[in-house]
Amino acid sequence: DVVMTQTPPSLSVAIGQSVSISCKSSQSLVYSDGKTYLHWLLQSSGRSPKRLIYQVSNLDSGVPDRFSGTGSQKDFTLKISRVEAKDLGVYYCAQTTHFPWTFGGGTKLELK
Amino acid sequence: QVTLKESGPGILQPSQTLSLTCSFSGFLLSASSVGVGWIRQPSGKGLEWLATIGWEDVKHYNPSLKSRLTISKDTSNNQVFLKITSVDTADTGTYYCAHNWEYWGQGVMVTVSS
Repeated sequence: DVVMTQTPPSLSVAIGQSVSISCKSSQSLVYSDGKTYLHWLLQSSGRSPKRLIYQVSNLDSGVPDRFSGTGSQKDFTLKISRVEAKDLGVYYCAQTTHFPWTFGGGTKLELK
Repeated sequence: QVTLKESGPGILQPSQTLSLTCSFSGFLLSASSVGVGWIRQPSGKGLEWLATIGWEDVKHYNPSLKSRLTISKDTSNNQVFLKITSVDTADTGTYYCAHNWEYWGQGVMVTVSS
């Protein structure tokens, strides 16, 4: 199985601050079609997960451009600029390149 | 507008079979590149992908539970089903269905307890 390692496990942030979350995979996430199926999701407290970014850097509809995803092969980063209160929750990276599909352990973003 | 909603028994006893239903609207499971999957989350813990069924009826399972899982669909009624046999307390958690991971249901809580 592809192991997805997220760091840090938690982050304390002030409103307006920028933060980055790292996600490293145990194997390259480049699929045979040349695409990289690495995604970022946010689970706000008591809510279902919501996908923010798909295939490394593509923002889902309605996701503000304060969010950005970068990376390649086995090393990926989610950056949130100017954090707002509604951004708080647990962020997960996930890969759908290799079966079984796997998630990172999550990064909890909290208010400082 | 895409919506998904999970339903299940709520509580069941160890060794029983868990049957879950995902009822959806706003998309056709018969359409190309469409898939619906099941993901679960023990309380206070992370996410685990269980199974996915595609528009062409291709099914994929998490090997860690494969022998216990069966995913199926009723395209006419816009539903996807998941059965988990021989449940135990480790199967307690919230179960989500999701469409191409872009749209998620609200989740259904399942408790396995004697």
